Amino acid sequence: EAGVTQFPSHSVIEKGQTVTLRCDPISGHDNLYWYRRVMGKEIKFLLHFVKESKQDESGMPNNRFLAERTGGTYSTLKVQPAELEDSGVYFCASSQGRRQGFGGELFFGEGSRLTVL
Amino acid sequence: DQQVKQNSPSLSVQEGRISILNCDYTNSMFDYFLWYKKYPAEGPTFLISISSIKDKNEDGRFTVFLNKSAKHLSLHIVPSQPGDSAVYFCAASLTTDSWGKLQFGAGTQVVVTP
Repeated sequence: EAGVTQFPSHSVIEKGQTVTLRCDPISGHDNLYWYRRVMGKEIKFLLHFVKESKQDESGMPNNRFLAERTGGTYSTLKVQPAELEDSGVYFCASSQGRRQGFGGELFFGEGSRLTVL
Repeated sequence: DQQVKQNSPSLSVQEGRISILNCDYTNSMFDYFLWYKKYPAEGPTFLISISSIKDKNEDGRFTVFLNKSAKHLSLHIVPSQPGDSAVYFCAASLTTDSWGKLQFGAGTQVVVTP
């Protein structure tokens, strides 16, 4: 079974440009999360989808970030326009239904590294 | 406001010895704690967890201890092996909160030397 896949693995763009990151969760996982790690700091929650609906987007930094989850399958995270402080590694994670013996059921992708110059 | 803190950015330990990783949290409402392990160019993978109703959970070479009064948890790896070299993240959550919304620490880089 395929794990969580993210694309691209690394993107280098200039300030002011647009970047779109994609995440394909594990098949059948209703929950999809985006996290971000900036410059070796903590991994920060961005938002959470349940199927195609945004359950919690309290971690989104500002309105330059737009996340979508088409048909409850893959998700995209668009940054427009990108700023220098957006550089970091963006992780996607997925999980099955609600709290099935909660304890580590978040499966993370390898991350998309974004470098804004 | 960082609610989960790992104050040691790195730890070097000899193979066969014990690795002790520490984590402090500020939110007394957290009731579930996890450790994730991350290799370079890979995503974090779940290692071990503990509920706030317990003070210890053991899984093979890995043991997590929770001290609620001190808002402190630790991960013990015994014996340490070269394959344990990775970044370890402490995470906490509220079971009544958004499903799977975790607060992570900044990580501790563990290097196990032969």
